[in-house]
Amino acid sequence: EIVMTQSPATLSVSPGERATLSCRASQSVRSSLAWYQQKPGQAPRLLIYGSSTRATGIPARFSGSGSGTDFTLTISSLQSEDFAVYYCQQYNNWYTFGQGSKLEIK
Amino acid sequence: EVQMVQSGAEVKEPGESLKISCKGSGYSFTNYWIGWVRQMPGKGLEWMGIIYPADSNARYSPSFQGLVTISADKSINTAYLQWSGLKASDTAMYYCARLGASADVWGQGTLVTVSS
Repeated sequence: EIVMTQSPATLSVSPGERATLSCRASQSVRSSLAWYQQKPGQAPRLLIYGSSTRATGIPARFSGSGSGTDFTLTISSLQSEDFAVYYCQQYNNWYTFGQGSKLEIK
Repeated sequence: EVQMVQSGAEVKEPGESLKISCKGSGYSFTNYWIGWVRQMPGKGLEWMGIIYPADSNARYSPSFQGLVTISADKSINTAYLQWSGLKASDTAMYYCARLGASADVWGQGTLVTVSS
């Protein structure tokens, strides 16, 4: 099974600042990597697929990069609605999620 | 509008059986795999399994193989997740999702509580 490891577990950032979340795979997943946002009491929402393609309706301040084993989600200027938990997920070899990174207000 | 609508919350006792549902609409139901994801209280997301409604081909994560059954009825655009003998440890929120560009459309979740 491919293990996905996210860092940091919690990131404290002020609104308007930039946030960078990381995701590492235990073996290459090529570009088969997605990012999801989950707010309390809500279902996850797809943000990025194919490592860097924004899903429909996702603002341009969200961007993804990476391939192989190392991936990054960047939120360029944090809005209040962006504070949430973020999960990466590989779909190259079955499906596995990372453990999540919580983005909180500083 | 593409939607996945799940059945309502359930409260069950240990040992009981349960089948929850996920109805897709706004797209060709038989053209996409559907996945089921578990989220235990305060925890992360875990992939349980997937099904292709066109032929009911189901695949399971090793952690869930033999513990649950995933099925689908393409005549009513609905996928199912079922248990034959619930345990307290099955208490969780369960989500279905359409597998387009990864899991691109999610249901609202079904909360399953197992308690005596």
